[in-house]
Amino acid sequence: EPEVTQTPSHQVTQMGQEVILRCVPISNHLYFYWYRQILGQKVEFLVSFYNNEISEKSEIFDDQFSVERPDGSNFTLKIRSTKLEDSAMYFCASRLAGGHEQYFGPGTRLTVT
Amino acid sequence: GNSVTQMEGPVTLSEEAFLTINCTYTATGYPSLFWYVQYPGEGLQLLLKATKADDKGSNKGFEATYRKETTSFHLEKGSVQVSDSAVYFCALSAADGNNRKLIWGLGTSLAVNP
Repeated sequence: EPEVTQTPSHQVTQMGQEVILRCVPISNHLYFYWYRQILGQKVEFLVSFYNNEISEKSEIFDDQFSVERPDGSNFTLKIRSTKLEDSAMYFCASRLAGGHEQYFGPGTRLTVT
Repeated sequence: GNSVTQMEGPVTLSEEAFLTINCTYTATGYPSLFWYVQYPGEGLQLLLKATKADDKGSNKGFEATYRKETTSFHLEKGSVQVSDSAVYFCALSAADGNNRKLIWGLGTSLAVNP
């Protein structure tokens, strides 16, 4: 069964450094999402992406964040200058056009020290 | 705006007990409703969904019915197992537009004891 994959599973970085989180969505899906979950807290929407552009972003998704689909398979989230409060689990998800459910990857745990 | 409210946990049950986790929502129109489950150390897995009023989603013995009149989508299971121990999230996606981002509840932690 096709699944969403994410790499790395765990990333440790120093404050101020850039990180790129990678996702490979399910191949015939057209809508892509990033969410984050700070330890012990609720899951929060960051950004959605369709047709090679951002379709919606949350207040969390400020100028430090960017997303890209550099080729036909990868979908990346970049944080330009990480802050301590960016420490969280980041989940990628994808969805079929016309579909209702989103399929999630296993997540990347980002630790900013 | 759209929002989801879940009953607070943690919930602790004995094996074979009946489970209910309450979920209510606020939304315009007719959102789609979901339950996701997160097992310890793992990601988010779709447990079940309902896309219109009176639909019942079911999977692995879990059920939830989309009640428009009470804006609820309570999760139930008749007999829980130790392996059901996890965090359960109720979520909705708005009816308007194609974006369909998910709005999440806080999650309810369930521990099932043998």
